[in-house]
Amino acid sequence: KQEVTQIPAALSVPEGENLVLNCSFTDSAIYNLQWFRQDPGKGLTSLLLIQSSQREQTSGRLNASLDKSSGRSTLYIAASQPGDSATYLCAVGGGATNKLIFGTGTLLAVQP
Amino acid sequence: DAGVIQSPRHEVTEMGQEVTLRCKPISGHDYLFWYRQTMMRGLELLIYFNNNVPIDDSGMPEDRFSAKMPNASFSTLKIQPSEPRDSAVYFCASSRSDGLVYEQYFGPGTRLTVT
Repeated sequence: KQEVTQIPAALSVPEGENLVLNCSFTDSAIYNLQWFRQDPGKGLTSLLLIQSSQREQTSGRLNASLDKSSGRSTLYIAASQPGDSATYLCAVGGGATNKLIFGTGTLLAVQP
Repeated sequence: DAGVIQSPRHEVTEMGQEVTLRCKPISGHDYLFWYRQTMMRGLELLIYFNNNVPIDDSGMPEDRFSAKMPNASFSTLKIQPSEPRDSAVYFCASSRSDGLVYEQYFGPGTRLTVT
């Protein structure tokens, strides 16, 4: 059974810092990996999707990498801003069915 | 595009009552997912549909839960009878596929409170 873990559970950084969020999964036979952002009381917003054949994806200040063999993905946020404060969730897809297994999330607070 | 639409946004009901949650996926998306989010268990997939057909309902907690998708633009999740432990935020999401798998887009959620 696939298990997805995110470390740390919570992170507080000063504005302007570069930071890395970690996601690990137990079964390397994944189809894709998706990073989401969730603001308090809101739904999830898709940030990046990495297909299993890819190593990384970039969008603006965000860069996500994928290492299937080691069961790890990282989300790199450059020059963090207070508006980046949210919970970040990673989710892995186990087959060509779009079915996702979610991690428990990292609560990020960027202090101005 | 209006995105995934869910209604109601908030629902408060008494134990034993029937609850119906509604979802309108993004037009053109052929996958629809129902999730439940709680502090204790995080985000869990309940059931998903492909082209209006239920594919995997292994996440549905028990027979009190049922879901339907009568057409490509509408789905319901019903709980009957409701119990306090059903209190959670229920999300609907949709995505498309054409051989490749694309992002899931989530609705704003329905916050259900069962007293």
